Amino acid sequence: EAQVTQNPRYLITVTGKKLTVTCSQNMNHEYMSWYRQDPGLGLRQIYYSMNVEVTDKGDVPEGYKVSRKEKRNFPLILESPSPNQTSLYFCASSPQTGWRGYTFGSGTRLTVV
Amino acid sequence: DAKTTQPPSMDCAEGRAANLPCNHSTISGNEYVYWYRQIHSQGPQYIIHGLKNNETNEMASLIITEDRKSSTLILPHATLRDTAVYYCIVRVAPDSWGKLQFGAGTQVVVTP
Repeated sequence: EAQVTQNPRYLITVTGKKLTVTCSQNMNHEYMSWYRQDPGLGLRQIYYSMNVEVTDKGDVPEGYKVSRKEKRNFPLILESPSPNQTSLYFCASSPQTGWRGYTFGSGTRLTVV
Repeated sequence: DAKTTQPPSMDCAEGRAANLPCNHSTISGNEYVYWYRQIHSQGPQYIIHGLKNNETNEMASLIITEDRKSSTLILPHATLRDTAVYYCIVRVAPDSWGKLQFGAGTQVVVTP
């Protein structure tokens, strides 16, 4: 089944403890992206990647890092999480051509205390 | 990308057609209209997109006015599982990368 898989689905962590949210897609998509969703603010893009080793900042990149060493994986790294990064996170992917829509993962609900 | 305006909420009776309007008066010639939906905290799901012709797929129909300043998403026979937030998004042609600019969307509640 074609899908974007995020792990974990839920995570509670403490301020300052480094964490990684993984994202993997099995559709050979070139484009991958991370979004966060907060009440009243909607979905906002954090980082995106157009292909392996090509990444760039979205609208709200502060406090996050990403890497794209393989085409299928696009992990989101929080080096020193803070409470304002408590949010619902989504990974998405799409092909570079023949675009019909982005495929989103099921989401990761992160709580930083 | 052009901005869109949608009603914040609407109700629909199960089995009836749900007509979701979207205004995009500043849309430019190379911009498509896309519809996504998000079912309670799940990842957004692509529904349909179009440029100027009406489109239909297994999920919905998209009607775009001749001047392209507005469109309507039609769910022909709404079910309880169609309760979701529906987003109308305008962006450039499909064969290009780019982020999706989500607005507030329309909360659709389908009632028995």
